[in-house]
Amino acid sequence: NAGVTQTPKFRVLKTGQSMTLLCAQDMNHEYMYWYRQDPGMGLRLIHYSVGEGTTAKGEVPDGYNVSRLKKQNFLLGLESAAPSQTSVYFCATRRGPSGGQNTGELFFGEGSRLTVL
Amino acid sequence: SQQGEEDPQALSIQEGENATMNCSYKTSINNLQWYRQNSGRGLVHLILIRSNEREKHSGRLRVTLDTSKKSSSLLITASRAADTASYFCATVPTDSWGKLQFGAGTQVVVTP
Repeated sequence: NAGVTQTPKFRVLKTGQSMTLLCAQDMNHEYMYWYRQDPGMGLRLIHYSVGEGTTAKGEVPDGYNVSRLKKQNFLLGLESAAPSQTSVYFCATRRGPSGGQNTGELFFGEGSRLTVL
Repeated sequence: SQQGEEDPQALSIQEGENATMNCSYKTSINNLQWYRQNSGRGLVHLILIRSNEREKHSGRLRVTLDTSKKSSSLLITASRAADTASYFCATVPTDSWGKLQFGAGTQVVVTP
C-alpha cells in the first residue's frame, strides 16, 4: 500500500520548457489536490479535484493545468515553465462524502522539487 | 492570500517544556486541522477540530478553537527532540468544503 506517490521527485527545467507531474493514489480517495510550498509562504493551493473528470482552481492556478482522467491519478502540467515556478510541489488526497464518514484529513505525498533555470 | 496565519513563526524550546502555537483565520470554517512537516518530507495530519468543538486532545497534543475570535491554538506538552518540525494549521471554509487552505507555519526546534 503505497498511499500517495509523486513522480518525479526532482526535476530541473529551462525557462519555457514543459513538464507534467504525476500524482498516483491507491486509497480510492475522491478528492485530490496540488499545492506548492515556498519558503516562508506555507502551502498554497494550485488546483484541486473533487472527483474523476472534475477540476477546480485554487489560490494560485495561473501557469498550471491539471487533469483527472482516472480517479487514482491527478496530473499537474506546466506548459511553459518560468523561474517563479521553482518550488516544491505536494500532492494530497482526501476521502470524499461517498467514502463514509469524512474526517477531512489530507494524506500527502513526499513532494516533487522543481527548479526552473 | 492565505487563510491561516500562525504565530510565532519560529519557536525554540528545551526537551520537557511545552510548546504553544497559534493560528488565526479569516472566514467561517467547517473545521480546522493541524499538520506536522519534518524537514524534506510531506505533511502529516495531527488533529482535526470541528467548528462546534472548543477543545480536543490527542496524546500530548491539545487543540483549542475559538470561532468568535477566528483563532486556534496547538499545545504540545512535554516536548521531545522528535517534535522538531514545522507545524501548520489548515482550514476548511464553510462556503468551499472541497478546499483546505494552509497558513505559513511555525517552525519548532526542541533541543535535548
